[in-house]
Amino acid sequence: DSGVTQTPKHLITATGQRVTLRCSPRSGDLSVYWYQQSLDQGLQFLIQYYNGEERAKGNILERFSAQQFPDLHSELNLSSLELGDSALYFCASSVGQLNTGELFFGEGSRLTVL
Amino acid sequence: GDSVTQMEGPVTLSEEAFLTINCTYTATGYPSLFWYVQYPGEGLQLLLKATKADDKGSNKGFEATYRKETTSFHLEKGSVQVSDSAVYFCALSVSGSSNTGKLIFGQGTTLQVKP
Repeated sequence: DSGVTQTPKHLITATGQRVTLRCSPRSGDLSVYWYQQSLDQGLQFLIQYYNGEERAKGNILERFSAQQFPDLHSELNLSSLELGDSALYFCASSVGQLNTGELFFGEGSRLTVL
Repeated sequence: GDSVTQMEGPVTLSEEAFLTINCTYTATGYPSLFWYVQYPGEGLQLLLKATKADDKGSNKGFEATYRKETTSFHLEKGSVQVSDSAVYFCALSVSGSSNTGKLIFGQGTTLQVKP
């Protein structure tokens, strides 16, 4: 158990819809990262937050947004969903702002868009 | 840009065989290198890391040496077990002024160990 909690574990929805994925980091971790894992793209970094502030942005689509709340949990919002958004979305956390590579990953939220 | 290239899988071995999974990288700055493992139905876990050239990371019988001259970080294990069946990811992070707080992962290599 990494200590990172993601909900929901599975989600099935239709094209055009909007979903919210939630992540609670390990106790004491201030940084939260979101990654998308798909068969064709592999593991892609989406975005990082540190103590409520956006710190780094990767290959995140404009239809996607995220935020980190004062209690440090984070949400990833995916809107106008397309079939290609079907993937496993991972949240990870770490203690500090700079990425030393020691990330703790949740079990992921599997999104299926039909 | 920074990138990681891993050998394609799946890799299928018999129990007690020797394992090598190749990983090479391209990076500006001074990367730290990592191997993560993903067991079926689970998130990724850090397996080992090396933060500077010639460092050797090791854990659970796995080893990898940071080779700056060949920009490589190959994962090895002398005798694999069925329980090592998983997906292995090589990754890098780059320190310095351009640190963006992200890990760059390779595509992952699936290892299947048969009894």
